[in-house]
Parts: sequence; C-alpha cells; structure tokens
Amino acid sequence: GQQLNQSPQSMFIQEGEDVSMNCTSSSIFNTWLWYKQDPGEGPVLLIALYKAGELTSNGRLTAQFGITRKDSFLNISASIPSDVGIYFCAGQGRNTDKLIFGTGTRLQVFP
Amino acid sequence: KAGVTQTPRYLIKTRGQQVTLSCSPISGHRSVSWYQQTPGQGLQFLFEYFSETQRNKGNFPGRFSGRQFSNSRSEMNVSTLELGDSALYLCASSLDGLLNTEAFFGQGTRLTVV
Repeated sequence: GQQLNQSPQSMFIQEGEDVSMNCTSSSIFNTWLWYKQDPGEGPVLLIALYKAGELTSNGRLTAQFGITRKDSFLNISASIPSDVGIYFCAGQGRNTDKLIFGTGTRLQVFP
Repeated sequence: KAGVTQTPRYLIKTRGQQVTLSCSPISGHRSVSWYQQTPGQGLQFLFEYFSETQRNKGNFPGRFSGRQFSNSRSEMNVSTLELGDSALYLCASSLDGLLNTEAFFGQGTRLTVV
C-alpha cells in the first residue's frame, strides 16, 4: 500500500534532549496528522494540521505543515521517558477520504 | 465521552478458520476505517465505511470484508485465515471521514494465526 516517507526510522536520545522528525510525500496533502503509539495500543492523535505553513503546539510538541504541502515536521522539546513510543505521521490528500500513514519513527529516551 | 472500542483485544485462530472483529466508534461518529498493522508493513488501510456503505477500499484480497450497522458499529471479517494475517487490527472513527476530519483509534485487536 501507499505510504509516506518518514525519517528517521529510529532515535535513541537522552532525557532532556530535543527531537525532530519529518514526513515527506510525492503528492500534495490537505491535512497532516501526527500520532503516538505505545506498545500494544492504538495510535493516539497528538496534533492535526490543516493549512500550509501552519505551526501548532501541544505542550512540548510542535508540528508544522510544510509550505509545499508535501511535508510535515514534528518537534518534541525537553524529552522525558514517557515520550518513548512510535510516532506516525498521516496525510489526507485531495479528492480522497483515506489517510495515508508514514512508516513510523521509533523513539527511545534514556534517563 | 467513550472512545473507540474494539473487541476482542486478543484472538488466537488456526489456519483456515474465519474471524470477526468488532469496532464501536465514538458516539456521533459515522465513519469507521480499518487498518492492519504488522512490524514489516506498518499501517495498511483495509477499508472505510460510512452510513453502512463501503466508501473506500485498500489493496487487500477478498478474504477481508466488512460491514457497518445503522448505529455506526462496524465489523471486519477475515475468512480462510493464513499465517500472514497475524497482525494488530485497528479501527479508527471520525465524524464523517471527509477532508480535514481527525481520526481516533481504538486499542486494536491482536490476531494470532497458528
């Protein structure tokens, strides 16, 4: 199936560090969503973006809808152990209701 | 407000059997989408139902089917199970599934085929 390119695939960082991850697509999207998934659980919605250039924050998380509409970024500041998990981006394009998911970024935070 | 509820949480079946999974969306949500998640393939879209009709379909064989009831609850059925069907099956509900609508996931059903 179709997927977005998400990078990096995995990250191992120290508690307190900032984290950045991104998603890119070959096609234009109208919506970008960012999810976090804990082991054995379903993804939980973190941030939703609807306009090119939009920058939205949710606590220590900040996400941006790229100007080209083909990419999005998620930043986590001052990471803590409970940030551990897999982060997925998802995009929704023109003329479709279907969400396309990124391949995920696995985040590990060491104390 | 209750979230998306999937039952059962865990299931073990043998090859050749069939299985039915259930998803109750958030109250008021009319769109339900199903995804298969495996370590190697990530989240793969199966299908989406809206108002009891299948509106979108992914690239899965006909062994995978679904339906939606008038109360928006949805079921997914897999017939003639294969070992490769072992996965976490997730459903997501949204208000109407149209552009710019957020999708909320259930906890998933972990299916193991032996």
